[in-house]
Amino acid sequence: QQQVKQSPQSLIVQKGGISIINCAYENTAFDYFPWYQQFPGKGPALLIAIRPDVSEKKEGRFTISFNKSAKQFSLHIMDSQPGDSATYFCAATRMDSSYKLIFGSGTRLLVRP
Amino acid sequence: ETGVTQSPTHLIKTRGQQVTLRCSSQSGHNTVSWYQQALGQGPQFIFQYYREEENGRGNFPPRFSGLQFPNYSSELNVNALELDDSALYLCASSLLGGGRSGELFFGEGSRLTVL
Repeated sequence: QQQVKQSPQSLIVQKGGISIINCAYENTAFDYFPWYQQFPGKGPALLIAIRPDVSEKKEGRFTISFNKSAKQFSLHIMDSQPGDSATYFCAATRMDSSYKLIFGSGTRLLVRP
Repeated sequence: ETGVTQSPTHLIKTRGQQVTLRCSSQSGHNTVSWYQQALGQGPQFIFQYYREEENGRGNFPPRFSGLQFPNYSSELNVNALELDDSALYLCASSLLGGGRSGELFFGEGSRLTVL
């Protein structure tokens, strides 16, 4: 019940295209869903996060879509750029223990020029 | 840059040895969490320290232990190293009860190789 399943494992997108990464969770007690971006040799950095009381959150080119009934959420990167090439992790947790993130296995995104 | 610093950046140990990893939290942060990231995997929560005490623990054996100091810096100690302990160890600081609860600021990690 603690797992977060992430797909695809890797993704190649042309510059200007849309990158879509999907995640599914099992524990209905989870109420905070962040996405982290990790570049090689660096630690993960918070990109965007959502609470289950909204179905979508947008920050610049990054959008989270959230489907509470299906227990799924996804990250959309619009107008993907070569600088977006990184590994993306979805995560889930409960706000009362928000330090204990349950991470997905990651998606390696390559944006070709 | 998150302001979270970790040392050492890389180290090599042999099976059975002990290792200590260090972390300085971001200024103003009072909580430190440690994560283990195996190659090609997402980070896994080891434990969190708040007010110098362990405040939560993941599914790791007791040979993984930690400390938090009055200046909020922290150490992760691993005894009786096993080959599977080879991983990137990430430290993350946060402000418990802060307005942006849930945001962890990660350091760049310590890469441990166990031979």
